[in-house]
Amino acid sequence: NAGVTQTPKFQVLKTGQSMTLQCAQDMNHEYMSWYRQDPGMGLRLIHYSVGAGITDQGEVPNGYNVSRSTTEDFPLRLLSAAPSQTSVYFCASSYDRATHEQYFGPGTRLTVT
Amino acid sequence: AQSVTQPDIHITVSEGASLELRCNYSYGATPYLFWYVQSPGQGLQLLLKYFSGDTLVQGIKGFEAEFKRSQSSFNLRKPSVHWSDAAEYFCATTTGNQFYFGTGTSLTVIP
Repeated sequence: NAGVTQTPKFQVLKTGQSMTLQCAQDMNHEYMSWYRQDPGMGLRLIHYSVGAGITDQGEVPNGYNVSRSTTEDFPLRLLSAAPSQTSVYFCASSYDRATHEQYFGPGTRLTVT
Repeated sequence: AQSVTQPDIHITVSEGASLELRCNYSYGATPYLFWYVQSPGQGLQLLLKYFSGDTLVQGIKGFEAEFKRSQSSFNLRKPSVHWSDAAEYFCATTTGNQFYFGTGTSLTVIP
């Protein structure tokens, strides 16, 4: 049982490049979410999903896309990277909605130059 | 909108001393409240949660928190801090679909 896994751990992009951050969980959790963590700002919700085929926007969705084709995977796509997207990104999952414990992945540190 | 505020950016305590980290929430009804801990370079781990009922909740690693509606607070406490408790602590609340995190309190433990 690997829990929540994220790849890559580190990534450097140039402005305008696109990429996908991968997130997978093996706990059969319905709810998955993506956060970004910036100094002094805590974690802010980017997108979330309450089940396969269902996604919705969080607090800071601009510049990011998500899809949920399976229960296990929830990739986050940066369409055209900007320096403002330099951050640490965390994926999390929970049994349902957000009322149960969220399990967090180890994070991806992204730098956009 | 729901939100939580952590007024202390950084706290330093001596090993063995007691600890209290502050969290204030903004929500009319009974909120769902959580405390998470993040060790350096790691993801977040749930310490404890409050949904309803007993206002004093026990968590892992010897932590507890008390929900006080009159003060709109959900402060985290530990009677005796260990060096391994040095980390960043986040208070959070949820609407059911979305989580809202505080800005965090960084804890330093000195020998």
